[in-house]
Amino acid sequence: QSALTQPPSASGSPGQSVTISCTGTSSDVGGYNYVSWYQQPPGKAPKLMIYDVNKRPSGVPDRFSGSKSGNTASLTVSGLQAEDEADYYCTSYAGSNDYVFGTGTKVTVL
Amino acid sequence: QVQLVQSGAEVKKPGASVRVSCKASGYTFTGYYMHWVRQAPGQGLEWMGWFNPNSGDTRYAQTFRGRVTMTGDTSISTAYMEMSGLRSVDTAVYFCAKLNPSNAFDIWGQGTMVTISS
Repeated sequence: QSALTQPPSASGSPGQSVTISCTGTSSDVGGYNYVSWYQQPPGKAPKLMIYDVNKRPSGVPDRFSGSKSGNTASLTVSGLQAEDEADYYCTSYAGSNDYVFGTGTKVTVL
Repeated sequence: QVQLVQSGAEVKKPGASVRVSCKASGYTFTGYYMHWVRQAPGQGLEWMGWFNPNSGDTRYAQTFRGRVTMTGDTSISTAYMEMSGLRSVDTAVYFCAKLNPSNAFDIWGQGTMVTISS
């Protein structure tokens, strides 16, 4: 199972929006609506931000949104804030009870 | 509150084995699969596999088959990940993570640093 492809980095100024892509195949991202996104500040554990492609857990700001088209999922962070600076990872169910993570994207708030 | 608390950092020699524990609290341990995820220094997250506390079933990523064993003790709501034949490339932080019904990892342990050094 190959890792899902994410851009290594993304950036934006405070108040702007940034979108991160997550590209897989029809065997993972394209085959199931089980894409989730995680935020990982340096030295900390990941935190669930989006599940089922576009649902937010309780407590996650509505500035975070998710979508999917074909084999590519996306996470958009609107109204960027300094606290959003972190690494972001997507993951997808890949069938046969397997899961796969994305390569990760470092988001920088300029 | 719902939380996963992992065991402390380990330093092991090449060829040795290591066991990392993950104690669950605040929810029904047997109701949710427990997954393990690895993160080498400066690298991304890597899915290792899962353990079903209700049945004892396991599933391992191809990379780890033959070297990893995931188990649990329901009497103390604790999951374990044991890795044998350790190599320097296994130096990493190991996380346990609870899987929710939407196939998302909603609760994570704090991570356990395992260092392989001669």
